[in-house]
Amino acid sequence: KQEVTQIPAALSVPEGENLVLNCSFTDSAIYNLQWFRQDPGKGLTSLLLIQSSQREQTSGRLNASLDKSSGRSTLYIAASQPGDSATYLCAVDSARGSTLGRLYFGRGTQLTVWP
Amino acid sequence: EAQVTQNPRYLITVTGKKLTVTCSQNMNHEYMSWYRQDPGLGLRQIYYSMNVEVTDKGDVPEGYKVSRKEKRNFPLILESPSPNQTSLYFCASSLEQADPYGYTFGSGTRLTVV
Repeated sequence: KQEVTQIPAALSVPEGENLVLNCSFTDSAIYNLQWFRQDPGKGLTSLLLIQSSQREQTSGRLNASLDKSSGRSTLYIAASQPGDSATYLCAVDSARGSTLGRLYFGRGTQLTVWP
Repeated sequence: EAQVTQNPRYLITVTGKKLTVTCSQNMNHEYMSWYRQDPGLGLRQIYYSMNVEVTDKGDVPEGYKVSRKEKRNFPLILESPSPNQTSLYFCASSLEQADPYGYTFGSGTRLTVV
């Protein structure tokens, strides 16, 4: 069964720092990997999606990389701001026949950026 | 605006009283699914649907039912809710199963069963 792990579980940094959030998964049979942001008590906002054939995606201050063979992804946040404070979730989309299309989520990294 | 709409956003109910959480999408997506989110456990899939009248179990289907009579709607039914079903529920949709363009999530329904 696919297992997704996110490290660190929590991170507290001053404004302006460059950050790296890590995600690892045990089964490389994936269609894509998606990073989400979740604010307290709110829904999931999709940040970046990397298809299995891609190595990275960028959106503004965010850059996500994918190394499918080693089962790893990183989310890089440049010049962090207090508004970036949220929980960041990594999810992989299974390509296995019996679980095709099922998203497996990590437990998230809770980020706090203080002024 | 393309979106997935869940209702209600918040619900408090008593054990055993049947309830339905609605989910609707306006993107003509074929694939829809339900997840629950619990502290320390993350999000887990409850049920999914590949198209109208085609549904199947996810990782944690016990105590839940779903139906897909129309393409846009995918309600989650709790016939006899119990306190262990207290959770944050999310509906998601995508163009197709294993969509390379990813999933769109609803805003969530926070359910408390007392």
